[in-house]
Amino acid sequence: DIVMTQTPLSLSATPGQPASISCKSSQSLLYSDGKTYLYWYLQKPGQPPQLLIYEVSNRFSGVPDRFSGSGSGTDFTLKISRVEAEDVGVYYCMQGRQVPWTFGQGTKVEIK
Amino acid sequence: EVQLVESGGGLVQPGGSLRLSCAASGFTFSSYWMTWVRQAPGEGLEWVAIIKPDGSEKYYVDSVKGRFTISRDNAKNSLHLQMNSLRAEDTAVYYCARDRLQHWGQGTLVTVSS
Repeated sequence: DIVMTQTPLSLSATPGQPASISCKSSQSLLYSDGKTYLYWYLQKPGQPPQLLIYEVSNRFSGVPDRFSGSGSGTDFTLKISRVEAEDVGVYYCMQGRQVPWTFGQGTKVEIK
Repeated sequence: EVQLVESGGGLVQPGGSLRLSCAASGFTFSSYWMTWVRQAPGEGLEWVAIIKPDGSEKYYVDSVKGRFTISRDNAKNSLHLQMNSLRAEDTAVYYCARDRLQHWGQGTLVTVSS
């Protein structure tokens, strides 16, 4: 199975300041179709997860442009350009390169 | 609007069975892979199973193989998860989700306890 490792596991962010989360996979997530199957989700308190970014860098419908994803191969990053209070929750990366799909441990983001 | 509504959760004794359902609407259900993901209390997310649009391919996480069965009824726009030989470690909120988890239901809680 592909192991996904996120850092940090917790983050205290200042409103208006940037924040970033790293995600590393134990194998390349590049598939033979040329796509890299790395996703980012945010689970706000008491809610189901919601998709933020798909295939490394594509924002899902309705996701604010302060969220961006980058990376390739086995190293990926989610960046929030200016953190807002509504961004609190747990962020997960996930690989969809092969079954079983696997998630990172999650990064809990709180606001200072 | 895409809607996914899970049902069927509850309290069950170890070794028991439960069948979860997910009612889908707002999209062409028969065109999408569908997934179950679970989350144990206070824990992270775990992918459980996935099924192809026509039901011909199914994949599972190792911890549920031989005990859980994913199925679908495209005529009724419904997804199911038959869970047998349940264990305490299966206690979790179970979410159904569409394809690459673009859309999620609110989840249904399964508690396995004597």
